[in-house]
Amino acid sequence: DAKTTQPPSMDCAEGRAANLPCNHSTISGNEYVYWYRQIHSQGPQYIIHGLKNNETNEMASLIITEDRKSSTLILPHATLRDTAVYYCIVSFSSGGTSYGKLTFGQGTILTVHP
Amino acid sequence: GAVVSQHPSWVICKSGTSVKIECRSLDFQATTMFWYRQFPKQSLMLMATSNEGSKATYEQGVEKDKFLINHASLTLSTLTVTSAHPEDSSFYICSARAYRGTGELFFGEGSRLTVL
Repeated sequence: DAKTTQPPSMDCAEGRAANLPCNHSTISGNEYVYWYRQIHSQGPQYIIHGLKNNETNEMASLIITEDRKSSTLILPHATLRDTAVYYCIVSFSSGGTSYGKLTFGQGTILTVHP
Repeated sequence: GAVVSQHPSWVICKSGTSVKIECRSLDFQATTMFWYRQFPKQSLMLMATSNEGSKATYEQGVEKDKFLINHASLTLSTLTVTSAHPEDSSFYICSARAYRGTGELFFGEGSRLTVL
């Protein structure tokens, strides 16, 4: 799996948008970008994933650059409950033995403050 | 969304005993499940890949005789920590890949093991 680089920590004010960057300069053409988050002492929670196009769901938006070497996860209106460690991971999607074999980096500790 | 459940959520055992942790996919069939371990203030580390009906594949450095994995059905995988020692104390997390997936993996709530 390609490696990712994320800032170790970020702060965000409640109600504001949280923009979490991720660099994945060695991503291959058929690898997806996944975002998960982990709240203390819980299992990771899936947020969103994408290949080339920007994606949006009820939790967040994912913006992937045209060259696919970086992406940004956007939480449009951060709440205190969004305080967590956010992991950006690149991996193959369906098909192939590597599918699902996620390699977690250190992630970004996002702290949302009042 | 799909649910993956782990049991027990926490367990305390004496050194030298064995502990079994279950991982169940509650509303989907999972041909493949993954077991991770997480030490305090560290990231998740993949231990092994559990395939239904076949032997698990272990990551480098993970002792297969110490961490026994069984994936006997499409909804259940078990991890048994044999002859546990204090250094095995950790947060163990499983994830499941759906038989007909849409791309995401689903994680269990985790099981915290403390070996005295």
